[in-house]
This record gives sequence, structure tokens and C-alpha cells, in this order.
Amino acid sequence: NAGVTQTPKFRILKIGQSMTLQCTQDMNHNYMYWYRQDPGMGLKLIYYSVGAGITDKGEVPNGYNVSRSTTEDFPLRLELAAPSQTSVYFCASSDTGLANYGYTFGSGTRLTVV
Amino acid sequence: AQSVAQPEDQVNVAEGNPLTVKCTYSVSGNPYLFWYVQYPNRGLQFLLKYITGDNLVKGSYGFEAEFNKSQTSFHLKKPSALVSDSALYFCAVRRTGTASKLTFGTGTRLQVTL
Repeated sequence: NAGVTQTPKFRILKIGQSMTLQCTQDMNHNYMYWYRQDPGMGLKLIYYSVGAGITDKGEVPNGYNVSRSTTEDFPLRLELAAPSQTSVYFCASSDTGLANYGYTFGSGTRLTVV
Repeated sequence: AQSVAQPEDQVNVAEGNPLTVKCTYSVSGNPYLFWYVQYPNRGLQFLLKYITGDNLVKGSYGFEAEFNKSQTSFHLKKPSALVSDSALYFCAVRRTGTASKLTFGTGTRLQVTL
């Protein structure tokens, strides 16, 4: 049982380049989330999804896009990378069952935009 | 709106001494409260949660937290700190209802020294 898997672990982008951060989970969770973590700022929600085909914006969606074509996968797309998007990105998932209201996190993607 | 405050950026404690990491929250209705721990270059790991019932909840690695509704607090505690407890700790809250999302605090760095 792998949980939540994120790839790549590290990436350096040049300004204006695009990339997709991959996230997949094998727990059949309906809910998936993308957060960014900046020093001293905690975690900020970028986008989330409550099921396949349904996505919605979080607190800081500008500059990002997501899709959710399957229950397992929730990729995050950066179209025109900017230095302000230098951060650590975490994907998470949760189920909707009564027993567990917490999240399972991936190990993160450290992105640097230069 | 829901929010979490972690008033201390860093907590320093000597090994063997008790530790407390503070958290206060604001949410409409009844809260679900969580503590997560993050070790360097890793994702967040679930420590413990309060959903309902006993105000004192016990979690992983000997940690516990006390829910205080009147003070809207959920402080993390451990009777005897270990050097290996040194990490970044996040408090999080969500209101009741499966559609609500977790809101995280800014994190508190715990430094345990010999």
C-alpha cells in the first residue's frame, strides 16, 4: 500500500516554462488536495477535488490548473512558471468515511523557478 | 471561515522535560482538530485527532493533546521529550461535515536538546 505518491521529488524550472506535478493515491479516496508550503506561512490550499471530474479552487489557485479524470490521479499543472511559485508542493487525500477525517500526505515536490 | 493560530514559531526544550506546543482555533460549529508532524524533507505525518468524546486524546510516539472548548485550544503535549521529537508541528482544524477542508496553522518548530 503506497499511499500518496508524488513525482518528481525535485525540479528546477526556468521562468516561463511549464510542468506537471504528478500525484496518485491507491487508497480509493474521493478527496484530493494540493498544498504549497512556504517558510513561516504554513500550508496554503491551491486546488482540491471531491471526486473524479470535480475540482475547485482553494486559497491560492492563480498560476495553477488541475484535472481529475480518475479517482487515483490528481495532477497539478504550472503553465508559465514564475519565481513566486518556488515552493514545496504537497498532495494529500482523504476519505469520506466516519472513521477518518484526516489527510494522508505525499512526500512533496520541491520546485525552484529561476 | 476557519483559522488556526500557533503563536510560537519555535519551542525549545531539554530532553526529558515535558513539552507543550500551543494551538488555538476558530471555526463555526463543532471542530475536528488534528496534529501533524513534519520531519526534514518529508511530508506531513498524522499524529492525533480530536473528533468527539474524551477531551484528552492520545496519539503516536507518546504525544497527547487536550481539547478545551471554552478556550478554543488544542495544545500538544508530551511528558518527556526526546531529541528525536525535533521536527515541525502543524495544528489543523476542520468543521463538521465531510465537505469541509482542513485549515493548517503556520507550524511550530520543536527543538529538543540534550
